[in-house]
Amino acid sequence: KNQVEQSPQSLIILEGKNCTLQCNYTVSPFSNLRWYKQDTGRGPVSLTIMTFSENTKSNGRYTATLDADTKQSSLHITASQLSDSASYICVVSGTGGSYIPTFGRGTSLIVHP
Amino acid sequence: ETGVTQSPTHLIKTRGQQVTLRCSSQSGHNTVSWYQQALGQGPQFIFQYYREEENGRGNFPPRFSGLQFPNYSSELNVNALELDDSALYLCASSLGTGSRSEKLFFGSGTQLSVL
Repeated sequence: KNQVEQSPQSLIILEGKNCTLQCNYTVSPFSNLRWYKQDTGRGPVSLTIMTFSENTKSNGRYTATLDADTKQSSLHITASQLSDSASYICVVSGTGGSYIPTFGRGTSLIVHP
Repeated sequence: ETGVTQSPTHLIKTRGQQVTLRCSSQSGHNTVSWYQQALGQGPQFIFQYYREEENGRGNFPPRFSGLQFPNYSSELNVNALELDDSALYLCASSLGTGSRSEKLFFGSGTQLSVL
């Protein structure tokens, strides 16, 4: 069964600090991994998309890494801002019969002033 | 703004009723996927429509059904509502089925409460 596990479940940091969110997956064969940001009551917004051959992708203060061998990804947020408070969701898609994306439960990030 | 619009934004129903949720996809997109997101959980895939045909289905019972129209807008219908159907229902559109790296564009969702 394809699974995506995220950690931590929740995280509280001070404004200006950095943080790293983790994602482990079992989806196979692998196609791509996406990180989304979801504000409360809103739909997810794409941050990064990585395929098998990519091991890092940046989008402003967000940097995602991928290790396809260990099936792990991380999302690093630099110099956090209050607006970064949201849920961050890792989504993994496979190929063939596993093309339907599998969503993690998300990490809830709260940034305090 | 993603260009994906969902209606209504909020809805309250009672057990046993039927509901229809609507989604207008982003211009040029031919694929629509529907997701159910319970409070504190990640989205769960319901089904996907590609060029008006169902193109994949998650682990949801047949009382969850859908349609995609020639303009690629879509409806999600849920019959015989149960309390556990209370959730945020998300629609996502894409150009292609997502089997490669097409970006998914989500609407803001419909918050359904079943009493």
